[in-house]
Amino acid sequence: GAVVSQHPSWVICKSGTSVKIECRSLDFQATTMFWYRQFPKQSLMLMATSNEGSKATYEQGVEKDKFLINHASLTLSTLTVTSAHPEDSSFYICSVLEGGGPYNEQFFGPGTRLTVL
Amino acid sequence: GNSVTQMEGPVTLSEEAFLTINCTYTATGYPSLFWYVQYPGEGLQLLLKATKADDKGSNKGFEATYRKETTSFHLEKGSVQVSDSAVYFCALTGGNNRKLIWGLGTSLAVNP
Repeated sequence: GAVVSQHPSWVICKSGTSVKIECRSLDFQATTMFWYRQFPKQSLMLMATSNEGSKATYEQGVEKDKFLINHASLTLSTLTVTSAHPEDSSFYICSVLEGGGPYNEQFFGPGTRLTVL
Repeated sequence: GNSVTQMEGPVTLSEEAFLTINCTYTATGYPSLFWYVQYPGEGLQLLLKATKADDKGSNKGFEATYRKETTSFHLEKGSVQVSDSAVYFCALTGGNNRKLIWGLGTSLAVNP
């Protein structure tokens, strides 16, 4: 399956600053990637679907102006948390969709731990 | 809409015990079903999957059978090891919808 990396693996920032998280598909050209958020001891919450060469599709309740997603190439999608606040502290995970049929598999990055002070 | 219900944890077992983690789903059409595992400090990994009714997914001694009549996909392992300690997530995708619908996860701790 696809190998997915994320950078950084953890980041600490001050409130009000912006943070960029990269998701790279190392061995697969991914037209579709997903961004998730995981709260402690909870399931994954899908934030948005990142489509190469077009605008991301955001889930209901996710602020698109706060969580900027750019999928500029088939191997890279970025999530920028703008004007971060402590409530944005979370574990952010990306995944790559491999396959175009109904039996799609997602391969996940190791996640990025964001802590906003 | 589609949903996944997973038994709540945490589950604590002794090594070599039998494991069952229940998962039931609600979906229109014919979803594909998955179990993902998240080991401490690591990313999510696909453990096994089944794409049609009566399919059995298996990997690393774990098994789950796609039961359409009971809308279930229970995860089982005959003899757990300490290294199986992790959080297990049941998930589905429905038809051409590529989004994964997740259960809340079940934490498993295996003691030596």
